[in-house]
Amino acid sequence: AQSVSQHNHHVILSEAASLELGCNYSYGGTVNLFWYVQYPGQHLQLLLKYFSGDPLVKGIKGFEAEFIKSKFSFNLRKPSVQWSDTAEYFCAVQVNAGNMLTFGGGTRLMVKP
Amino acid sequence: GAVVSQHPSRVICKSGTSVKIECRSLDFQATTMFWYRQFPKQSLMLMATSNEGSKATYEQGVEKDKFLINHASLTLSTLTVTSAHPEDSSFYICSARESGSTYEQYFGPGTRLTVT
Repeated sequence: AQSVSQHNHHVILSEAASLELGCNYSYGGTVNLFWYVQYPGQHLQLLLKYFSGDPLVKGIKGFEAEFIKSKFSFNLRKPSVQWSDTAEYFCAVQVNAGNMLTFGGGTRLMVKP
Repeated sequence: GAVVSQHPSRVICKSGTSVKIECRSLDFQATTMFWYRQFPKQSLMLMATSNEGSKATYEQGVEKDKFLINHASLTLSTLTVTSAHPEDSSFYICSARESGSTYEQYFGPGTRLTVT
């Protein structure tokens, strides 16, 4: 079965700092990859997704992620974070089209103003 | 578009009672809905996959007789926690996949269940 690892459980940054959140998955076949964000008290929202094509994916709010197949990674990046980016971020993998998502453990990001 | 609602948003019940949680796709039809459980400061764990008109598929370790799922229409799936116990207290989240779409799921806001 596939699994997803997010190595950074808690990240604290100052505003304007650059962000990179790690996501690695274990599955040898074709996958779809997602990053979701959960702001305090709110539901999950899709940040970006990768199905195929250009491995560098751009999402909402200035986020991007790069799929590196050889490393089984899909790291999330943002060049300059804002206080409003304080949230929990989840990486997810989908093995078969339309199938369920397997989530990583999540990373809590706190951005200090 | 693609809004998913859950009702109730919060519920407190006594041990031994049953609680029903509704998941609705408001502006699209969802052949498949998913039920997740999220413990405090933990990730989402899939409980079951709900397909309209057929029996739900439960993940390993999830008791199907305790967590009853019904997906009677293309816009509604329900999760009933039967004979609830304090250890069932958790955040239950549903997601829905639009009929004809193969990839993206839209998440509901979640239901916080507290069993006293």
